[in-house]
Order: sequence, then C-alpha cells, then structure tokens
Amino acid sequence: QKEVEQNSGPLSVPEGAIASLNCTYSDRGSQSFFWYRQYSGKSPELIMSIYSNGDKEDGRFTAQLNKASQYVSLLIRDSQPSDSATYLCAVVLTSYGKLTFGQGTILTVHP
Amino acid sequence: DVKVTQSSRYLVKRTGEKVFLECVQDMDHENMFWYRQDPGLGLRLIYFSYDVKMKEKGDIPEGYSVSREKKERFSLILESASTNQTSMYLCASSLGTGVIRGFFGQGTRLTVV
Repeated sequence: QKEVEQNSGPLSVPEGAIASLNCTYSDRGSQSFFWYRQYSGKSPELIMSIYSNGDKEDGRFTAQLNKASQYVSLLIRDSQPSDSATYLCAVVLTSYGKLTFGQGTILTVHP
Repeated sequence: DVKVTQSSRYLVKRTGEKVFLECVQDMDHENMFWYRQDPGLGLRLIYFSYDVKMKEKGDIPEGYSVSREKKERFSLILESASTNQTSMYLCASSLGTGVIRGFFGQGTRLTVV
C-alpha cells in the first residue's frame, strides 16, 4: 500500500461547480497535511495546510481532515478554468518535515 | 517571501558525467530536500537534510549523493549520470519546528544523453 494515495483522475468539472479531491494516507502517526497545486511545467505551490480534524476554509478552498479515517480532502468551490492543474496531497510524519506525496490528481475545469 | 533558488532551469549532460545541482534558500530553514518528479510516478524523495552536514536517504537514493556544508545550500550530485536519471529535479526547504511547510524551487529539468 502506498503511503499517500489520491484518486488518479483526471477529474473534469464544469466552471462554477465544486471540485472534490481526495487523499488517504497509511501512517496513523502523520501530523501535518498539505495540498499543493502544480501547473504544467511549474513547481508545486502550497495552497492549503491542515493539522487538526475538521474543516479549514481559505477563500474558495476548503480542506477537510479526518484522522480516524486517515482521510484528507480538498474542495474547490466555484471552480474556474484557472484552477485546472495537478493537485498534490502531501503528508508529514516526522518532525523533520519530510513530505511524502501522493501521485497527484489532474483537474480540468471546462467553461 | 521564502525564496528557494535552483542554479539551473535546464541542463543537458552526457552519460557518465558528474553532475551538480545546487539549491539555495534564504529563510534560514533547517530542513532541505531533493525530489525528482516523473510522469505517473509523482514526486519521490531522493535525500533530505535536517542540519548542516547531516543527511538522510529518501526513497530513491541510488546513484545520488548530497552535500550540505552551509545551512542555506543543499547540493545534489549525480556521480555518473545515466539516461534513467533524466527527470525534473525539485529542491524544497522547510522549518524544523512549528509550522512545517514546504517551499519549492523552480525545478531543474535534467536531460542525460
């Protein structure tokens, strides 16, 4: 079992819809959880971080964490074509900040 | 803003060459990382360092070594480049305590011919 798994996609949603991206992780000791956005040919960019159970909202983005189910998700409301990118889930286990990534989900928002 | 700078955006090297990829961060971060990214495989950790002169192997260290002589600089070394090391290489840095967030450099696309 991979340490961090994402639904492989690609995920296609119409403009204005809610995009839902999911991620599961295998290690119950995981402490910190991140979502990165990566445009084609660019490096990953941090968009959300979450550390405790529940929801965290930032503009159109909501991260949800459920440690009991070892599950973290990202919701993008009012999706825009500019949101089209690969979304990477990353998990930190140790205090060294070692990030372990999922394979990424490609999101396409079509007008 | 945190800045993580990689020395080259694109590199073309020949098989068997020794290759150095340099990464510099300006935020006094303790931790630095080297990843490679390949289509369908995501980001895979090669090596990381949590302090000067300290290093730990990641998931795919074979064929690579690293050097961290100063806190702000982390170098990845390909001892004898091979074609299967053609990839995008990404450097990242993060704080050692408190909020742990990874900041990435712009990436180096290495082609080994």
